[in-house]
Amino acid sequence: DAGVIQSPRHEVTEMGQEVTLRCKPISGHDYLFWYRQTMMRGLELLIYFNNNVPIDDSGMPEDRFSAKMPNASFSTLKIQPSEPRDSAVYFCASSLRGQGDRNEQFFGPGTRLTVL
Amino acid sequence: DAKTTQPNSMESNEEEPVHLPCNHSTISGTDYIHWYRQLPSQGPEYVIHGLTSNVNNRMASLAIAEDRKSSTLILHRATLRDAAVYYCTPSGGSQGNLIFGKGTKLSVKP
Repeated sequence: DAGVIQSPRHEVTEMGQEVTLRCKPISGHDYLFWYRQTMMRGLELLIYFNNNVPIDDSGMPEDRFSAKMPNASFSTLKIQPSEPRDSAVYFCASSLRGQGDRNEQFFGPGTRLTVL
Repeated sequence: DAKTTQPNSMESNEEEPVHLPCNHSTISGTDYIHWYRQLPSQGPEYVIHGLTSNVNNRMASLAIAEDRKSSTLILHRATLRDAAVYYCTPSGGSQGNLIFGKGTKLSVKP
């Protein structure tokens, strides 16, 4: 398996533009997580899905952020409009329920977003 | 959610053991303690987890205090490839959220 795939790996955009980050989870996994990492705030959970259904989006910073999971093999995180303070590395992770208490999440390589 | 406290950074020499502490005094009775690490320019990866008993796997050992308010990740022989940020994160249940703090940045000197 190729692991969790994220695209693009780097994104540079201007303030006000729409940004879409993409994630392909590991095949067969039923949980998908979106995280954001900055120097100031560390690694924060934004939202997670179970079987394509959003379960907890309490970490989404504001209405400019939205996430979808139209099917088991694809998810997007959209920022519209983007602001410089959104600059961060965004990680997608997936996991499989049924591994008991192991709760191992597999992370993608991340998307480094820079908003000018 | 349980709050964790870890040293900001630690240093080790190659081939020597490393003990990475974590304080999680507000952990609930059902929370597992997970450890992840993040190598430079990569996403975090799972290291080990436990509930009450000490645990060993091929990567590391986890020592959990009897009162569960703290734990220690033990790397038996640090290598240069172990240089990373190490996070301890309590989580509830099989799909409990992982709450990552700032972690401990481990440097390994040759």
